[in-house]
Amino acid sequence: ETGVTQTPRHLVMGMTNKKSLKCEQHLGHNAMYWYKQSAKKPLELMFVYNFKEQTENNSVPSRFSPECPNSSHLFLHLHTLQPEDSALYLCASSPNSEVTDTQYFGPGTRLTVL
Amino acid sequence: GNSVTQMEGPVTLSEEAFLTINCTYTATGYPSLFWYVQYPGEGLQLLLKATKADDKGSNKGFEATYRKETTSFHLEKGSVQVSDSAVYFCALIKTTDSWGKLQFGAGTQVVVTP
Repeated sequence: ETGVTQTPRHLVMGMTNKKSLKCEQHLGHNAMYWYKQSAKKPLELMFVYNFKEQTENNSVPSRFSPECPNSSHLFLHLHTLQPEDSALYLCASSPNSEVTDTQYFGPGTRLTVL
Repeated sequence: GNSVTQMEGPVTLSEEAFLTINCTYTATGYPSLFWYVQYPGEGLQLLLKATKADDKGSNKGFEATYRKETTSFHLEKGSVQVSDSAVYFCALIKTTDSWGKLQFGAGTQVVVTP
């Protein structure tokens, strides 16, 4: 399944670095999401975009900055992260952001902050 | 607030054994309920869903019934295969929420041995 792709798949960065995660969906969907999957914790919704407009920011620290230039692409810009930000970052998309729309997930980016 | 609780893993089974993963939820109103599966190195995939009480979701031999009286959505499969080894996530969306705010349980790892 290559409907939702994420790059890079693995990323190691220092606390002073700036990096970006990229997500692309080829499904013609209008809504895109960022989730954080940490060890021993449930997946946490971070951001929701619907028709390129951010509709949800789930109290995410400002060192995470999302960008959605169009309905097919979603970025997560990272700067001055902390070691506790190490996690798997998952992108998802859905036809719209209706509550019962199925969300399709990408394979994730495994981020390690040193 | 809303929450999803599922049994801790790992659950280790032999091939052809019966699998049950318990999931209970707390939510106001009538949420929609989902099971997602994450195979090693991949993103989450929707396994099945149910949108109202007494609905039964089924897919790939897995079943789960939405039990409003016990606020449960237990996942079952009658005869597991090695290829079913994965992490299984129970999740809900409140139908009164805007946007696709999936709330996940912590996940249950299932290991099926030959």
